[in-house]
Amino acid sequence: DAGVIQSPRHEVTEMGQEVTLRCKPISGHNSLFWYRQTMMRGLELLIYFNNNVPIDDSGMPEDRFSAKMPNASFSTLKIQPSEPRDSAVYFCASSPDSRDQPQHFGDGTRLSIL
Amino acid sequence: SQQGEEDPQALSIQEGENATMNCSYKTSINNLQWYRQNSGRGLVHLILIRSNEREKHSGRLRVTLDTSKKSSSLLITASRAADTASYFCATGQGAQKLVFGQGTRLTINP
Repeated sequence: DAGVIQSPRHEVTEMGQEVTLRCKPISGHNSLFWYRQTMMRGLELLIYFNNNVPIDDSGMPEDRFSAKMPNASFSTLKIQPSEPRDSAVYFCASSPDSRDQPQHFGDGTRLSIL
Repeated sequence: SQQGEEDPQALSIQEGENATMNCSYKTSINNLQWYRQNSGRGLVHLILIRSNEREKHSGRLRVTLDTSKKSSSLLITASRAADTASYFCATGQGAQKLVFGQGTRLTINP
């Protein structure tokens, strides 16, 4: 079975540029999560969706960050404009829509903003 | 903010020995989960223990949960070199939200 698929795996860009990260969840999973991982702050939940609707975006750092889920099989996380402090590994995860379920993670996008 | 706090931050043991990692948290939870992360990869779910459970086993893994002390432990028995990874606890809050700790870096020396 295909797991959570993220693209690109690596992204290097200059500050001020727009960055778009993509995620395809596991088929049949109704919940999708975006996380950011850094050495300083660990793994932080940015936003999560249930049935394509954003449920909790309290972790989104600021207005430069936005996330969408236009359908059940695709989500994007966009940073515009990007800044060096946005450099991190961004993970997408999905899970079935019920309590007490594990989350399945993609292999992440390593983002470097120069 | 990070709720789960793992202890120790790093652990180095010899192959064949047992590894124990601890996790403490602060608020009420629905469940507690343990994940493993190999370098450069995403997190992989290991085991989930519900708030009304006290112990759970899966292969060489044993997890305990003490809700009165707000703590959990993960025991890996008969460790192998392939167990080298970072291990994270995550507390399940609300319907599906997880809050992750900072992790324990486990190194198994051959």
